[in-house]
Amino acid sequence: DAGVTQSPTHLIKTRGQQVTLRCSPISGHKSVSWYQQVLGQGPQFIFQYYEKEERGRGNFPDRFSARQFPNYSSELNVNALLLGDSALYLCASSRTGGSYGYTFGSGTRLTVV
Amino acid sequence: SQQGEEDPQALSIQEGENATMNCSYKTSINNLQWYRQNSGRGLVHLILIRSNEREKHSGRLRVTLDTSKKSSSLLITASRAADTASYFCATDAGGTASKLTFGTGTRLQVTL
Repeated sequence: DAGVTQSPTHLIKTRGQQVTLRCSPISGHKSVSWYQQVLGQGPQFIFQYYEKEERGRGNFPDRFSARQFPNYSSELNVNALLLGDSALYLCASSRTGGSYGYTFGSGTRLTVV
Repeated sequence: SQQGEEDPQALSIQEGENATMNCSYKTSINNLQWYRQNSGRGLVHLILIRSNEREKHSGRLRVTLDTSKKSSSLLITASRAADTASYFCATDAGGTASKLTFGTGTRLQVTL
C-alpha cells in the first residue's frame, strides 16, 4: 500500500498569495490531520478531519482552512500568505482517529518570499 | 504552543551505546507517542504508550511513562548510525479531536 502522499513537495510563493496543499491518506484511513513545523521546532496542530467532518482546529488564524473529500483526501488552504507561514506542512492519517498513532507524509516545504 | 520540553536538546553518542531522551509535558494525557524525523522530512511513528501503562518495549526501543511526574523517557539500545535523527514526543489529551502536541525534540547523532 502507498503511504500518505503529499503534493507538492516544495513550493515558493510571494507574500499575499494563496496556496493549496494536498494530501492523500493511506487507503482505509478516514482521519486526516495537518501540522505546521517551523524550522527548529516541533510540529504544531492545525486541523483534524474525520469522516469528512472537522474534529479539531489549532490556534491558527482564519487564513488557514481545510476540507476533506468523499475519498478522504484533504486540502489545506492558506490565504494572504505571510513570511511567517514559511514552514514544512505535514499531513498525517489514521484509521480510527489517532488512538493508535499516525502515519505522516513527507511534507510540503512552503517558502514565502 | 509546545506541550513541553525534551531533554537533552542534542545528544551525540558512538555506535553501540545506548541513547536516552526525556520528555516532560504539562497537562493530562490519553496517550504519549514518540516519533523520529530524518532531515526535516516526514515523521515516523515509533511507539505509543497509554496513560495506564508504565513501560513498553518495541525492538531496541524502551519507553517509560510516569504520569505523576508528567514525564516520559525513550531508550534506544545498541544505537546505530541509522538512528541519527530528531526524536519527538507527542501527547494526545483525548477528546473529540485527536490532536498531538509535540515537544521541542532531541537531535541524536550516532557516530561510527
